[in-house]
Amino acid sequence: DAKTTQPPSMDCAEGRAANLPCNHSTISGNEYVYWYRQIHSQGPQYIIHGLKNNETNEMASLIITEDRKSSTLILPHATLRDTAVYYCIVRVGSGNTGKLIFGQGTTLQVKP
Amino acid sequence: DAGVTQSPTHLIKTRGQQVTLRCSPKSGHDTVSWYQQALGQGPQFIFQYYEEEERQRGNFPDRFSGHQFPNYSSELNVNALLLGDSALYLCASSLGALYIPYGYTFGSGTRLTVV
Repeated sequence: DAKTTQPPSMDCAEGRAANLPCNHSTISGNEYVYWYRQIHSQGPQYIIHGLKNNETNEMASLIITEDRKSSTLILPHATLRDTAVYYCIVRVGSGNTGKLIFGQGTTLQVKP
Repeated sequence: DAGVTQSPTHLIKTRGQQVTLRCSPKSGHDTVSWYQQALGQGPQFIFQYYEEEERQRGNFPDRFSGHQFPNYSSELNVNALLLGDSALYLCASSLGALYIPYGYTFGSGTRLTVV
């Protein structure tokens, strides 16, 4: 069973920040939160991941609440190419026994 | 640096037949996981291979089996195909040790259609 809950769809204006929320209220203390996106049924593309601290890379920022029950993915300046299904995922297990538990994802539509 | 390579890209099989899908992991990765993605759904974990052994398995029947070779590449086999097995099959590779710099790298998948 999925451990995350996301809104099914969101819209964002091109050039504005896209904030995608995720609820993972049953996450355990050693389970990481990952974000991936998938475009046109291609393979999912890694965006970012974190455990308890906020993270930032060249693609996005990840804000995790202090109680770790929810997180937000921020795309600072959305472009039309960011239109995709975004998955918030909990990684269960560690090392060579870890696995990704996908939810239904959020379809983000970036509009001109 | 090549990413994850899957073959074939598309496949059509008849109900009851058997199919083998192949995956070459990203260079430097030693762990391979397989996922099934039905149309409009998120990927579902099938199983994971590390050091040529199945380490974890999702909620899939024994008709789904796999193998990992010494060069870390992997195969997914599905026997007695059902119409419901039609899906995009994704392979993901990772580094099996505790160090995971960028998470899992996915291939573009094999689209299996069972008729």
